Amino acid sequence: GDSVTQMEGPVTLSEEAFLTINCTYTATGYPSLFWYVQYPGEGLQLLLKATKADDKGSNKGFEATYRKETTSFHLEKGSVQVSDSAVYFCALSASSNYQLIWGAGTKLIIKP
Amino acid sequence: DAMVIQNPRYQVTQFGKPVTLSCSQTLNHNVMYWYQQKSSQAPKLLFHYYDKDFNNEADTPDNFQSRRPNTSFCFLDIRSPGLGDAAMYLCATSRLTSGSTDTQYFGPGTRLTVL
Repeated sequence: GDSVTQMEGPVTLSEEAFLTINCTYTATGYPSLFWYVQYPGEGLQLLLKATKADDKGSNKGFEATYRKETTSFHLEKGSVQVSDSAVYFCALSASSNYQLIWGAGTKLIIKP
Repeated sequence: DAMVIQNPRYQVTQFGKPVTLSCSQTLNHNVMYWYQQKSSQAPKLLFHYYDKDFNNEADTPDNFQSRRPNTSFCFLDIRSPGLGDAAMYLCATSRLTSGSTDTQYFGPGTRLTVL
């Protein structure tokens, strides 16, 4: 079945460091791919998405490119801030029933 | 702004005392979801409504029920909460049309504490 694997956390970085959070997927068909962010005590917010191969989603300085050849959707940001500290979830929309298949989440800690 | 609203944000109940969580949306989406999330783990889908059609996940306990009286509102009823039901409950909405679905948009969640 469809699945999402993302790198384990926590990931701890210093402010202004470069961020990569790896996400790979297994799916039949052509799923849409998403990154959601969850700040402490809050619900999930859509960070960015991509709906077809080679699409690049971007928002708030974060980017991810839908790579079908490597079945990946890695999240990147060039210079992180303390306010980026949160849990990041990679997800895909299953082509069979459009339900979201979630990765385990990666906790990101940014130190000043 | 169009949005998903959940009330209350924090709910405390006693072991075995029924509780209802509510969700409303101004997005006019035809699908509404309820998720359970524990300790920043991935959300676990409990059930969803496609319009008025209710779809229960196979492993959702019978203790959890849902109602959707109209397009805008959806309720989660926990008939006899146990200590293991303490969690964040997330409501989400999306628009499903023929052959595709739009992004899921989430509310802020309700944190349930069971004493």
